[in-house]
Amino acid sequence: EPEVTQTPSHQVTQMGQEVILRCVPISNHLYFYWYRQILGQKVEFLVSFYNNEISEKSEIFDDQFSVERPDGSNFTLKIRSTKLEDSAMYFCATLNPLTGGRNNEQFFGPGTRLTVL
Amino acid sequence: LAKTTQPISMDSYEGQEVNITCSHNNIATNDYITWYQQFPSQGPRFIIQGYKTKVTNEVASLFIPADRKSSTLSLPRVSLSDTAVYYCLVGLTGGGNKLTFGTGTQLKVEL
Repeated sequence: EPEVTQTPSHQVTQMGQEVILRCVPISNHLYFYWYRQILGQKVEFLVSFYNNEISEKSEIFDDQFSVERPDGSNFTLKIRSTKLEDSAMYFCATLNPLTGGRNNEQFFGPGTRLTVL
Repeated sequence: LAKTTQPISMDSYEGQEVNITCSHNNIATNDYITWYQQFPSQGPRFIIQGYKTKVTNEVASLFIPADRKSSTLSLPRVSLSDTAVYYCLVGLTGGGNKLTFGTGTQLKVEL
């Protein structure tokens, strides 16, 4: 079965540094998402992306965050100046609304654990 | 957005059937009910989705009464590997719609 992949699996950074989290979506998927999960808390939506632009973003997704598909395959999440509270698991998810068979299922990647020191 | 309520935790033993009920009293007409499973340090994984009545796949069954104000995820003959957090989500489906997760139900399966 096709999978969403994410790199790195674990990223440690100093507060104030920029980080880029990478996701390779399933090849024929058209919608892309980032979610995060702070340790012990629930999964939170950050942003959705379709047709090379943001469809929706949450309050968490402030000016420090950005997303792009720089080469038509990778989907990246950039945090410009990390804060301690950005420490979390970041999950990429993708969806192909055309398949129909799985009722518009979002496929999640394994996540990147971001630790901000 | 429909609020969902589900038990915080449940315990079971291998081979038993587990039923997790989710309440969603203010579900909207166009909302679907979707269940995801999450293992520790992994991303959520789709289990099943339904709109009304009963849906069954190779993993689980989903029972939805006529008023749609609740739903029950049924896992037949659980094993240790079914130990996970199970999330009930209610909302629109389709590419433009985000998933809104609650706190989920931590299912623990023991020998």
